[in-house]
This record gives sequence, structure tokens and C-alpha cells, in this order.
Amino acid sequence: DSGVTQTPKHLITATGQRVTLRCSPRSGDLSVYWYQQSLDQGLQFLIQYYNGEERAKGNILERFSAQQFPDLHSELNLSSLELGDSALYFCASSASLADYEQYFGPGTRLTVT
Amino acid sequence: QKEVEQDPGPLSVPEGAIVSLNCTYSNSAFQYFMWYRQYSRKGPELLMYTYSSGNKEDGRFTAQVDKSSKYISLFIRDSQPSDSATYLCAMTRYNTDKLIFGTGTRLQVFP
Repeated sequence: DSGVTQTPKHLITATGQRVTLRCSPRSGDLSVYWYQQSLDQGLQFLIQYYNGEERAKGNILERFSAQQFPDLHSELNLSSLELGDSALYFCASSASLADYEQYFGPGTRLTVT
Repeated sequence: QKEVEQDPGPLSVPEGAIVSLNCTYSNSAFQYFMWYRQYSRKGPELLMYTYSSGNKEDGRFTAQVDKSSKYISLFIRDSQPSDSATYLCAMTRYNTDKLIFGTGTRLQVFP
């Protein structure tokens, strides 16, 4: 168990809808990362927050947004969902800005129908 | 061309075999190299990380980096059925930059 929690585990929704994925980092970790994992693209970095501030952006669509709250938990919002957004979404955390020691949560499996 | 290339496998070996997993990369600026293990329906788990070139050993696992060839390897000695998982390499330019992952190699160790 990495200490990172994610909810929900599974989400099934229709095209055009909006969903929110939630992540709680390991105790004491200030940095949160969001990743998307699909069969054809592998694990893709979406966005990073550090102590409430956006730190880095990857291949995140404009329909997606995230935030990190004062208690350090983070939410990833996905809107106007398309079939191609179906994937596993992982949250990871690290103690500081150093990326290489990231601890991943169990993921949220999103299915868009 | 992807920045990081990894053979997707599957790689199927008998228990006790030595396994070699590899990644190649194109960006010579990468300095930090990681290996993650991902069991089915679980999140990736950090196995090992190395900085720059050289070898690093941890139990049955050895990570090797050859920056001149832009090639990294993970060796697993005395492989066990519990090692059956997908192994992802990852790398970054400096320790505050984003990680770039390979697509993963699926390993199956049969008894």
C-alpha cells in the first residue's frame, strides 16, 4: 500500500458528462501528480501541483482541470467527456519537488459510453 | 519517434531464470532513471532509481544505465512467479522535471 488513496475506483458515465476524481496524497507529501494510462498511449503525465500551486503541465486537454486544496488533497475534473477519455487515471505524490520518488495510488478506471 | 521506447512483450520465462528488461531513449539530457512495477489493476510501484550511468543493485534486482548508448536495463535474478507484472521504465532530465514513461513490458514467470 503506497499510502495514496483515490476515489472512486470505477466510474461509468456517458459522453458529454463531467466527472471529478479525487486523490489524497501520502501523509506529509506536498506534491501531487495526475497521469492518464491507456493501452495505446501508456502512462501520460497530465499535471502537477505542489503545495496548492500548479507546478507543471503535460498533455492535459483544455476540457480537463485540476486543483490542490489547503489540506493537500487534489481533484481532477474531466468535462465534455468523449469515448477516447476512457482510461485509468492515476494520482501520485512525492515529498517534495523531486519527481523521481513518486508513489502512485490504485487509480480510477473511467469508462465513457 | 517516442522519447522512450520499450518492448511491450509479453516476455515469458520459467521460474529461476534471469530476466533482462530494456529501454532506449533519444534525449541525451535525461539523467534520472527509474523502474516501476505494475501489477494488474494496480498503480505503478517504484522499484529502483539511478542517477547518471552505472549499476545499482537491490536484492534480486540490478538497474544498469549506459548513457553513451542511451540504453537502460533492469535485471531480475532468480525470477519468481510473483515477479509477473508489467515493468515500466521512466526518466527525467533533472529531479524537478516531469517523468517520461515507457509503455511497459509485460513479464510472465511460470512455475
